[in-house]
Amino acid sequence: KAGVTQTPRYLIKTRGQQVTLSCSPISGHRSVSWYQQTPGQGLQFLFEYFSETQRNKGNFPGRFSGRQFSNSRSEMNVSTLELGDSALYLCASSFRTEITDTQYFGPGTRLTVL
Amino acid sequence: DAKTTQPNSMESNEEEPVHLPCNHSTISGTDYIHWYRQLPSQGPEYVIHGLTSNVNNRMASLAIAEDRKSSTLILHRATLRDAAVYYCILRDKGWGAQKLVFGQGTRLTINP
Repeated sequence: KAGVTQTPRYLIKTRGQQVTLSCSPISGHRSVSWYQQTPGQGLQFLFEYFSETQRNKGNFPGRFSGRQFSNSRSEMNVSTLELGDSALYLCASSFRTEITDTQYFGPGTRLTVL
Repeated sequence: DAKTTQPNSMESNEEEPVHLPCNHSTISGTDYIHWYRQLPSQGPEYVIHGLTSNVNNRMASLAIAEDRKSSTLILHRATLRDAAVYYCILRDKGWGAQKLVFGQGTRLTINP
């Protein structure tokens, strides 16, 4: 079974631009979560989508948004990029049951903001 | 979210057992104890989880204290590939508990 894929793997943008990252979950998984990883803050939860609806949201500004399509693929968008948005953005998918379940992470997209 | 405390780093030798501790004194009765690890240049990967009883799988064992205020991840025979940052995470069950709250984790170094 193919794992979680994320595109692109690397991205360089300048301040003020916007960026869209893509995540394809494992086949059959309906939940997609996004995380930001930086050396200073570690791994932080951004948001989770399930059945095309945002179910959970972390403590990030409104510049960070996302969506999920009917095939469970997800995109996250960051508008008006700031230098501090430079990070590894990780996507994770799961079956999403009421009992806590395993999340499977992709390799991440490394975003550099200049 | 209930907090966990782990040592910042640990070091061990190849082919020896490794015991990674985690303190979670404020754990609630419905919190599951999860362990994930992140190998260099990769996303985190699931290792093991448990609620009250000790658990074993092909990767590791999880020993949970009787009062559940601490747990230990056991790698029975460490290899160089086990060098990673290990995260101990508490997760409640239910629809609102999908997110993983990562701490700083323990950076495990394996010496050849």
